[in-house]
Amino acid sequence: AQSVTQLGSHVSVSEGALVLLRCNYSSSVPPYLFWYVQYPNQGLQLLLKYTSAATLVKGINGFEAEFKKSETSFHLTKPSAHMSDAAEYFCAVSPNYGGSQGNLIFGKGTKLSVKP
Amino acid sequence: ETGVTQTPRHLVMGMTNKKSLKCEQHLGHNAMYWYKQSAKKPLELMFVYSLEERVENNSVPSRFSPECPNSSHLFLHLHTLQPEDSALYLCASSHNVGFSTEAFFGQGTRLTVV
Repeated sequence: AQSVTQLGSHVSVSEGALVLLRCNYSSSVPPYLFWYVQYPNQGLQLLLKYTSAATLVKGINGFEAEFKKSETSFHLTKPSAHMSDAAEYFCAVSPNYGGSQGNLIFGKGTKLSVKP
Repeated sequence: ETGVTQTPRHLVMGMTNKKSLKCEQHLGHNAMYWYKQSAKKPLELMFVYSLEERVENNSVPSRFSPECPNSSHLFLHLHTLQPEDSALYLCASSHNVGFSTEAFFGQGTRLTVV
């Protein structure tokens, strides 16, 4: 069965510092992968997605993620954190094989805090 | 504006009440979803509708009853809920079900069962 693991339920960085949020997936076939962001009292918004084209995916708000098959990882990065990046981030996987509904399976989320 | 609108934003209900959550999407999508988001748990997919037909029901208790009268509207009817049902209920839509299709989410309904 597909699953996704986000390491660290809470990450804190200083403004201007590198943001690194970790996501590992388990799947025998490389799936489709997504990062979503949730601001307080809001729904989820898509940041970026990997669908087997380029392994380095650029998203909105300066975020990017790299798909590494050998490490079964899809970590989210941003070179310089901004106060407005404080939110909860969810990694999600969608199975990529026949017979599956292909519905999104979410990780538990990582809450990002940004210190001035 | 995400294109997916949920009402109400907040709801407090007693265990014997009956209420409904409403979701409307203005994106022309064919698939709609209900998710439950509880503290410290992953998002749980509850129901999936494709072209108004339910295609997935993930072992959700019968006190939750979905309804999809057309491809733009989705309801979640609630009755005799338990305190552990308190959560953020998120509606989402996508162009079609599955695979690389990304989902667009509403802002959610914060439900408190007292």
